[in-house]
Amino acid sequence: DAEITQSPRHKITETGRQVTLACHQTWNHNNMFWYRQDLGHGLRLIHYSYGVHDTNKGEVSDGYSVSRSNTEDLPLTLESAASSQTSVYFCASSAGAGMNTEAFFGQGTRLTVV
Amino acid sequence: TQLLEQSPQFLSIQEGENLTVYCNSSSVFSSLQWYRQEPGEGPVLLVTVVTGGEVKKLKRLTFQFGDARKDSSLHITAAQPGDTGLYLCAGGRSGNTPLVFGKGTRLSVIA
Repeated sequence: DAEITQSPRHKITETGRQVTLACHQTWNHNNMFWYRQDLGHGLRLIHYSYGVHDTNKGEVSDGYSVSRSNTEDLPLTLESAASSQTSVYFCASSAGAGMNTEAFFGQGTRLTVV
Repeated sequence: TQLLEQSPQFLSIQEGENLTVYCNSSSVFSSLQWYRQEPGEGPVLLVTVVTGGEVKKLKRLTFQFGDARKDSSLHITAAQPGDTGLYLCAGGRSGNTPLVFGKGTRLSVIA
């Protein structure tokens, strides 16, 4: 069965370190998204990609970067981790982007920056 | 500014009760999706509504898209503990733009 997997599920890192969260999907979807979920803020879009070598900034992109070298993977990098980036991160993929397209989510990565 | 406002934020009810949660916006959306998220998991799609005034039923869940396509509601009949979770609405817009998510309604159904 097709799926979307995130790794690691839990990560503790120190302030200032570079951290990369992995996202791998086997749906063969062109579109992939990274969100962070925080109490009181819901799901906020960080970065997204509509295909290989395409990346776009979301509403909370500062301090994060992504690269898309193949269809299956969209790793999220925190260049210099900050305590404000402690959150649960979700990766999603979809066949389309806007109307009528279902987003399939991974199980999330809980990141703690100490 | 939050494009999609969900209410209530929290809801705790007894098993067997009925409830309605709302998703409102000042913007028009091409489609409205509802997702449910359980603890430790990612959101999972429940339904998509695309036509103003559309009503869809999924067992005990009834979803409605407002006539002006600016709001939606989710009604649960005879809630069960298995309905517990975070309910998120997401709006789709025309063109190739990402979904916009509301902050969610956290539902707790007590046996």
